[in-house]
Amino acid sequence: DIQMTQSPSSLSASVGDRVTITCRASQSIDTYLNWYQHKPGKAPKVLISAAYSLRSGVPSRFSGSGAGTLFTLTISSLQPEDFATYYCQQSYSLPLTFGPGTKLDIK
Amino acid sequence: EVQLVEAGGGLEQPGRSLRLSCAASGFTFDDYGMHWVRQAPGKGLEWVSGLSWNSGNIGYADSVKGRFTISRDNAKNSVYLQMNSLRAEDTALYFCAKGSTGYSYGSVYLDSWGQGTLVTVSS
Repeated sequence: DIQMTQSPSSLSASVGDRVTITCRASQSIDTYLNWYQHKPGKAPKVLISAAYSLRSGVPSRFSGSGAGTLFTLTISSLQPEDFATYYCQQSYSLPLTFGPGTKLDIK
Repeated sequence: EVQLVEAGGGLEQPGRSLRLSCAASGFTFDDYGMHWVRQAPGKGLEWVSGLSWNSGNIGYADSVKGRFTISRDNAKNSVYLQMNSLRAEDTALYFCAKGSTGYSYGSVYLDSWGQGTLVTVSS
């Protein structure tokens, strides 16, 4: 199975900050990497698919990059509604696997 | 509008069984793969199982392999998760999610989610 790791596990930041979350796969997954945002009491929401494709309706301040084993999610200017937990997930092979999450909270 | 409504959660004893269901609407159900994802209290998301549009490709997390069975009924626009030999560590909110394609892996992301059904395993 492909293991996913994320760093940092938690992050405190302020509105307007630029933040980057890193995701690593235990083997190459090409660009089969998705990013999700999850807020308490809500269903998770996909932000980025295939490493860098911004999904419809997602603000352009979100961006993704990477290929192979190393990926990043960047939020260019944090907004109040961005404070949430972020997960990467590989879809290269079954079983699909999520990273452990990065909790982003307000400094 | 895509709607996914989970049902079947509840309190069950260790070793017993539960069957979750997910009723789908708002899209052509038999064109898409379907998945179950869970979140244990205070923990992150864990993909549990998924299957392709025709059930030809099915996968399970190692933590549930041999105990859980996913299935779908395209005539009823529903996907199911049969959970046997339940353990305390299966306690979680279980989400049903729609895949973005008919496949269970590859160029797939989970594009719509239900609100979840809570499973508690305790004696």
